[in-house]
Amino acid sequence: DARVTQTPRHKVTEMGQEVTMRCQPILGHNTVFWYRQTMMQGLELLAYFRNRAPLDDSGMPKDRFSAEMPDATLATLKIQPSEPRDSAVYFCASAQTGDEQYFGPGTRLTVT
Amino acid sequence: GQQLNQSPQSMFIQEGEDVSMNCTSSSIFNTWLWYKQDPGEGPVLLIALYKAGELTSNGRLTAQFGITRKDSFLNISASIPSDVGIYFCAGRASGTYKYIFGTGTRLKVLA
Repeated sequence: DARVTQTPRHKVTEMGQEVTMRCQPILGHNTVFWYRQTMMQGLELLAYFRNRAPLDDSGMPKDRFSAEMPDATLATLKIQPSEPRDSAVYFCASAQTGDEQYFGPGTRLTVT
Repeated sequence: GQQLNQSPQSMFIQEGEDVSMNCTSSSIFNTWLWYKQDPGEGPVLLIALYKAGELTSNGRLTAQFGITRKDSFLNISASIPSDVGIYFCAGRASGTYKYIFGTGTRLKVLA
């Protein structure tokens, strides 16, 4: 049963701390997306990669957020330093051709 | 960021009733996806549509790609309590892998 996995599922941290979220895309999928979901803004695309190369990160606050794909089985989203307004659920999704995206279970981040 | 308009925002229906919701855009899309999200979980892909006018079913769910390519529709027949959740549409234009998501339709089914 192929699924996107994300770790951690929940993270509570203090303002100013670094947060790293990890995603393992479905094996064979070459496009990976990072989204943020909040009640106010809904699902927002932060960044996406194709064949491990970043294609678009215009949705991401550049000063504190960074996204990478060290290899085909791992995508990371880092926030440094974290702020209370970063509290949200962060989703990773993967796709084989860029069409049918499959989402992971999300990381619920709370920054106090 | 840009979002698609989904209607209705929320609805209460009786078990057994049919449900209809739609999604509209000011832009033309090449692909429409429909997702369902349960509390505490990620969105689950229900149906994918690739051609204007296309009608695709998945069990009790049927979705249509509008002929104008600016809208899409999802119908659920004979609703059951487990249909409760938030339904999202997502559209993608040509030349990009980026999807724009709808604002969601929250469905509550009364037994």
